[in-house]
Amino acid sequence: KNEVEQSPQNLTAQEGEFITINCSYSVGISALHWLQQHPGGGIVSLFMLSSGKKKHGRLIATINIQEKHSSLHITASHPRDSAVYICAVLRPGGSNYKLTFGKGTLLTVNP
Amino acid sequence: EAGVAQSPRYKIIEKRQSVAFWCNPISGHATLYWYQQILGQGPKLLIQFQNNGVVDDSQLPKDRFSAERLKGVDSTLKIQPAKLEDSAVYLCASSLLGGSGANVLTFGAGSRLTVL
Repeated sequence: KNEVEQSPQNLTAQEGEFITINCSYSVGISALHWLQQHPGGGIVSLFMLSSGKKKHGRLIATINIQEKHSSLHITASHPRDSAVYICAVLRPGGSNYKLTFGKGTLLTVNP
Repeated sequence: EAGVAQSPRYKIIEKRQSVAFWCNPISGHATLYWYQQILGQGPKLLIQFQNNGVVDDSQLPKDRFSAERLKGVDSTLKIQPAKLEDSAVYLCASSLLGGSGANVLTFGAGSRLTVL
């Protein structure tokens, strides 16, 4: 079993829909990243969370440390939101912090 | 603030040839990562540097891959000889410290390698 599991793997939505992508992890973490990767593009960090909730524009990220679960929500989705969304957890390891990635969720938003 | 610079953006080589990728992290970022991302998969850590020291290279195929970060700034990743399965995007990322909670991770645009 992977240490970081994302669901769903693929998600297709109509423009305007509310989107939720989930991330569950099985290890102790110090923080969790949500990353966005457009096709053929680089990776952009959307959020870094260690507790609670963060909001940026139409994007909202939440994390429940006790349940080892995080969600990324997109309100009023738009075709330009189509991308792969990757959850990555930061695990402390002595003086070194290790980043473990989920496999990503491919989101397609149709007009 | 300038981002993480990587070059070349694209490289096509034949198997058994060698290739080198370069990364210039954000100024002042002590931690530098090289990731390999095969199409359809999440990034896989190859090597992590803290300044000019290696802190994790457990997944680096050391028989053919090497990386260095002289002077704790720029880094190069080399593959010699390349195999077909090395076709991937090689991503460089940097963060201020060891990626602890207060620091944002910044990725470069990646170097796409095709091995024929």
